[in-house]
Amino acid sequence: GDSVTQMEGPVTLSEEAFLTINCTYTATGYPSLFWYVQYPGEGLQLLLKATKADDKGSNKGFEATYRKETTSFHLEKGSVQVSDSAVYFCALSNSGYALNFGKGTSLLVTP
Amino acid sequence: EAGVAQSPRYKIIEKRQSVAFWCNPISGHATLYWYQQILGQGPKLLIQFQNNGVVDDSQLPKDRFSAERLKGVDSTLKIQPAKLEDSAVYLCASSSPRVLKKDGYTFGSGTRLTVV
Repeated sequence: GDSVTQMEGPVTLSEEAFLTINCTYTATGYPSLFWYVQYPGEGLQLLLKATKADDKGSNKGFEATYRKETTSFHLEKGSVQVSDSAVYFCALSNSGYALNFGKGTSLLVTP
Repeated sequence: EAGVAQSPRYKIIEKRQSVAFWCNPISGHATLYWYQQILGQGPKLLIQFQNNGVVDDSQLPKDRFSAERLKGVDSTLKIQPAKLEDSAVYLCASSSPRVLKKDGYTFGSGTRLTVV
């Protein structure tokens, strides 16, 4: 079945450091790919998404490119802030069905 | 546009008791999902409704969990009897084909269940 694998956390970075959170997927067909973020004490929020190969999703300085050849959707940000501290979830959806989530990666950004 | 509403926000019950959670999706969203998120893990789908019909309940522990979506709008998820391992956040989400490509899925704030 479909699945998502993302890098283990926690990830600890200093403010203004470069962030990469790896995500790879296994799926039949052409899934849509998502990154969701969960800030402490809050619900899941859509961060960005891509619906076809080579699409780049971007939001709040975060980017991820849908790479079909490597079945990857890595999340990147050039300069993280303390306010980016959260748990990040990679997810996929096939043919409009329910989201299938990875286990999440906790990010802590220190001043 | 109002978001996905869930209640209660928190619930503490003893094992073997029953509990129910309520979800009101975004108006016009035909598809409704219930997820279980155990601490430190990603959300896991329990059940997906399309209007008032079940699309996927393959991961719903049907010996103790039940869900319904009467009239294709609000939904309730029930656990009876609860076990310690049911302690988790229960998330409701909704979507519609019209907004799926633009906005994705919208999640409620969740109900945090603690079984003691």
